Amino acid sequence: DTEVTQTPKHLVMGMTNKKSLKCEQHMGHRAMYWYKQKAKKPPELMFVYSYEKLSINESVPSRFSPECPNSSLLNLHLHALQPEDSALYLCASSQDMGWRNSGANVLTFGAGSRLTVL
Amino acid sequence: GNSVTQMEGPVTLSEEAFLTINCTYTATGYPSLFWYVQYPGEGLQLLLKATKADDKGSNKGFEATYRKETTSFHLEKGSVQVSDSAVYFCALTVNRDDKIIFGKGTRLHILP
Repeated sequence: DTEVTQTPKHLVMGMTNKKSLKCEQHMGHRAMYWYKQKAKKPPELMFVYSYEKLSINESVPSRFSPECPNSSLLNLHLHALQPEDSALYLCASSQDMGWRNSGANVLTFGAGSRLTVL
Repeated sequence: GNSVTQMEGPVTLSEEAFLTINCTYTATGYPSLFWYVQYPGEGLQLLLKATKADDKGSNKGFEATYRKETTSFHLEKGSVQVSDSAVYFCALTVNRDDKIIFGKGTRLHILP
């Protein structure tokens, strides 16, 4: 299995709702990532988990709350979002974090969850 | 700081045309270089990579050579197909750094 699976594909939520995005991989990768991508822009890094521990938080607002229950799963909990948070949220994984590798840090991306905040 | 600059799009070509998408970088240390591709409605996929100077990455007819002297990693394909229509991102990572730095992306349209 060489895929990263994200659910749901589409999500519409109000500003007072609580929802979650889910990501799963079975490649034995030990690093997992959340990216946010606005239309016609490159992905922006939000969070990195390494060996199930939060390693990088790119100063993301607390209304986004990541969780890594085990090495295969990554969640992004959403609460009290704003309309400007509407975007494509991409999950990715890599074998390990760059600094542990002898080679380049290649990411495998999921297809994304398209979020619309009303 | 580390950064990637790639040509603005959109780029529109006819099928079987030659493709070049320019990419230059600035980096402290010794970067690894990548091209990722994003097809409509999908996430990003690694297209090719090069980890040291003069390396050539290649995949699906696409090629890019890591040129340290010109700090470039231009993407080329000899004969494009309609199915190559996508957004192409040049990217780098620097040794011992986990963050991938993406360029702004180049949208490619191939006309039949």
